[in-house]
Amino acid sequence: RKEVEQDPGPFNVPEGATVAFNCTYSNSASQSFFWYRQDCRKEPKLLMSVYSSGNEDGRFTAQLNRASQYISLLIRDSKLSDSATYLCVVLKSGAGSYQLTFGKGTKLSVIP
Amino acid sequence: EPEVTQTPSHQVTQMGQEVILRCVPISNHLYFYWYRQILGQKVEFLVSFYNNEISEKSEIFDDQFSVERPDGSNFTLKIRSTKLEDSAMYFCASSEWLSDGYTFGSGTRLTVV
Repeated sequence: RKEVEQDPGPFNVPEGATVAFNCTYSNSASQSFFWYRQDCRKEPKLLMSVYSSGNEDGRFTAQLNRASQYISLLIRDSKLSDSATYLCVVLKSGAGSYQLTFGKGTKLSVIP
Repeated sequence: EPEVTQTPSHQVTQMGQEVILRCVPISNHLYFYWYRQILGQKVEFLVSFYNNEISEKSEIFDDQFSVERPDGSNFTLKIRSTKLEDSAMYFCASSEWLSDGYTFGSGTRLTVV
């Protein structure tokens, strides 16, 4: 099983649509979880951290299910500017190790 | 908003040459990192650095790679003898705490010819 696995995409959605991304991770000892977005040939930018209780930031909602080792991101009312690759990222930890492990990303294109 | 600054933005080098990639992390951050992304692939961890020493490194970070914090602001990645497969985007990142999300720099695109 890959360390962090995401929907391969691409997702092509019309403006205003709701879109959901899913991610699973293999290391049950992982402590922290994030969604980053990456525009073409740019750096990853932190979108939001993900907590067990679920968290919301405007149009974005992230959920974590530790039992299933599953993370999700919901984007409501999609905008053209949401077009990017969304990276599921897990802080791998244990035995003094603290490194971010990235999924390959899911590409989103929001179409007018 | 504080930024991580990387230079140069693009470097072309001949195979076998040494390159040094430079980074200025956010000033109050304590943890520094290098990641790389080969075109079309995922972002991969190279090395983390804390308290003037390497705290962790990946299998990619072999003897050809080294990091240094030569002064209070810069953080460098050196590749001693570049190979074609070192061609990638190299991202520097920093964080205030270990469990935080990181702030990434805009990257250096390294092309080895």
